[in-house]
Amino acid sequence: TQLLEQSPQFLSIQEGENLTVYCNSSSVFSSLQWYRQEPGEGPVLLVTVVTGGEVKKLKRLTFQFGDARKDSSLHITAAQPGDTGLYLCAGNPAGNKLTFGGGTRVLVKP
Amino acid sequence: DTAVSQTPKYLVTQMGNDKSIKCEQNLGHDTMYWYKQDSKKFLKIMFSYNNKELIINETVPNRFSPKSPDKAHLNLHINSLELGDSAVYFCASRPRVGTNYGYTFGSGTRLTVV
Repeated sequence: TQLLEQSPQFLSIQEGENLTVYCNSSSVFSSLQWYRQEPGEGPVLLVTVVTGGEVKKLKRLTFQFGDARKDSSLHITAAQPGDTGLYLCAGNPAGNKLTFGGGTRVLVKP
Repeated sequence: DTAVSQTPKYLVTQMGNDKSIKCEQNLGHDTMYWYKQDSKKFLKIMFSYNNKELIINETVPNRFSPKSPDKAHLNLHINSLELGDSAVYFCASRPRVGTNYGYTFGSGTRLTVV
């Protein structure tokens, strides 16, 4: 069992549609981070959420941290093919170890 | 360019060989990491160094030995390679220890053991 569970594992949508990716845990995190990884590259940090209930926006991407700081979601509005990638949530349950969820593979078809 | 650089990008080698992967960051970060990404894309931490000092050593076989000659470099040496070592290895860094700092990853080294 992973500390951070992401769902769904795979999402295929048409360009222009909306999508939401979830990251859940039974543990409390002081912060959670979201990364996007494209084929052949390393993960790239999108956002860090710190405060329970916090909402952050990055253009068409909206990130929310749960009130209890155990979960987070990523919502993409009007998805574009450039949003295709592997979305990873990550957090530090204790100390210095960033622990990743299993990832959600998003495919946006033109 | 400011970045985390790994070499080589691809490494194909036979079982039993010894190989090294090098990592350098020019971001001035204090903390560096090695992660392993398996075929299902799950990223798992292996090692972490803070200012050349080993601070995280997960349950990794002794065949894996990290070395940090200075805080800008973290290399990974693997002895007696096995088929199960095939994976993508990522180096990462962040400014310092602390839960809210983001990580900067290198572009990975795809290791294939045949």
